[in-house]
Amino acid sequence: EAQVTQNPRYLITVTGKKLTVTCSQNMNHEYMSWYRQDPGLGLRQIYYSMNVEVTDKGDVPEGYKVSRKEKRNFPLILESPSPNQTSLYFCASSYLDRGVPEAFFGQGTRLTVV
Amino acid sequence: AQSVTQPDIHITVSEGASLELRCNYSYGATPYLFWYVQSPGQGLQLLLKYFSGDTLVQGIKGFEAEFKRSQSSFNLRKPSVHWSDAAEYFCAVGAYSGAGSYQLTFGKGTKLSVIP
Repeated sequence: EAQVTQNPRYLITVTGKKLTVTCSQNMNHEYMSWYRQDPGLGLRQIYYSMNVEVTDKGDVPEGYKVSRKEKRNFPLILESPSPNQTSLYFCASSYLDRGVPEAFFGQGTRLTVV
Repeated sequence: AQSVTQPDIHITVSEGASLELRCNYSYGATPYLFWYVQSPGQGLQLLLKYFSGDTLVQGIKGFEAEFKRSQSSFNLRKPSVHWSDAAEYFCAVGAYSGAGSYQLTFGKGTKLSVIP
C-alpha cells in the first residue's frame, strides 16, 4: 500500500530535549516536505526537499532541521524544542503530475513541548 | 510569493443542501490550485486540483471547483452535502520559483459542520 508513515504519532517532551520525528514514503517520490498545523493558521511549510541532499527552507524554518540522505526518508529534527513548537506536524511526499508536485500526507504527529 | 485566503472560518449547512466554500489566491502567473479535506484526527486528502485547461474540475466525493482567473478564485462546490462531509477544508496554491524550487501554500481552512 502506498503511504507516508510518520513516527511517533504522539509525543510529549520537555524544553531543550532534542527529538526527531521520522517520515518515510514507499512511493519513490522525489519531493518531500514538512508542515506544521496550528489552530487558525492552517498549514505552514517548514522545510522541503526536491531530491536527495537537496533541501530548502519553507515559511517557518526557525528551530527545525532536516536531512535527506536517501529518497524514502525525510526526518524532522528539533535540536532544542521550545513550547512554541507545540503543534501538529505533517510530512508530505509528492509525485509529479504534469510537472507539478501532488502531495500525499502522513497521518500527523502531535507534539507537545512542556 | 503566493498567498491564499479562505474568508469563511466556519460554515454550517443542513444535510442535503448545496455547499460553496470560497477561496481566493494571490499569484502573478497561472497557479496550481488544490482543495484538501481533513477529517478529525486524520491527515489531508486531496479532493481535486487545477493546473490548466477546463476551468471546471471534478474531484472525488462529488465535489467540483471552478477556477476564475478574473476573480482570482477557486471555489469548491457540492450540490448535496452528506453528514460525512463534515470536516475541515483547505485551499492551497502551488508555484515554482525562478530558482526551480516549489512551494505549496495553504489557506487557514474552513470548518464545515453538517446539521442532520
